[in-house]
Amino acid sequence: DAGITQSPRHKVTETGTPVTLRCHQTENHRYMYWYRQDPGHGLRLIHYSYGVKDTDKGEVSDGYSVSRSKTEDFLLTLESATSSQTSVYFCAISPYGGLAGGTHEQYFGPGTRLTVT
Amino acid sequence: QQQVKQSPQSLIVQKGGISIINCAYENTAFDYFPWYQQFPGKGPALLIAIRPDVSEKKEGRFTISFNKSAKQFSLHIMDSQPGDSATYFCAAESNTGNQFYFGTGTSLTVIP
Repeated sequence: DAGITQSPRHKVTETGTPVTLRCHQTENHRYMYWYRQDPGHGLRLIHYSYGVKDTDKGEVSDGYSVSRSKTEDFLLTLESATSSQTSVYFCAISPYGGLAGGTHEQYFGPGTRLTVT
Repeated sequence: QQQVKQSPQSLIVQKGGISIINCAYENTAFDYFPWYQQFPGKGPALLIAIRPDVSEKKEGRFTISFNKSAKQFSLHIMDSQPGDSATYFCAAESNTGNQFYFGTGTSLTVIP
């Protein structure tokens, strides 16, 4: 999985509790992404980062926040988990992001299965 | 609203046959179209990708056909093998940003 780890790999939590998922990379890639994967929806972008302390929203960002204080770590936080946030969460990294002409390949981590009861 | 529409949702093909998965989009700002392959319990992995300045790209048994005027692209898997059984996602990226939009996925089963 291209030097990407996600932790935890599985988590069960209760509605209303805060949850933080961690993505760690050893590739020194500039861009990092958080997606959620749900049946019938494919992968949907939650937030992404284009550098340390530089982040932006994706198409399903409501209820989520992110932080990136180091190149290698990208944290996804659910401030108050809801049942609708039960999903599989994938982190991805990319060396060039959206630069025209550059390689846009994204490398995905193994995923975190989150269940909110 | 789904930015990239993918069909079929599931596909069953005999070993040695051709698997075809289709995707369509509306946003003319999309300029990069990858296909990802995902096995159960794993993250997606890039299979093959194309830019709209070419109509076809082939890598081994995998071919992308791209129709810019129709805003459609498809993945063809020739001589399909049981090991190709996986979920396939098409995606698109806009030239104006860093966001990828994925299709809803196609579950491919290749019967021996």
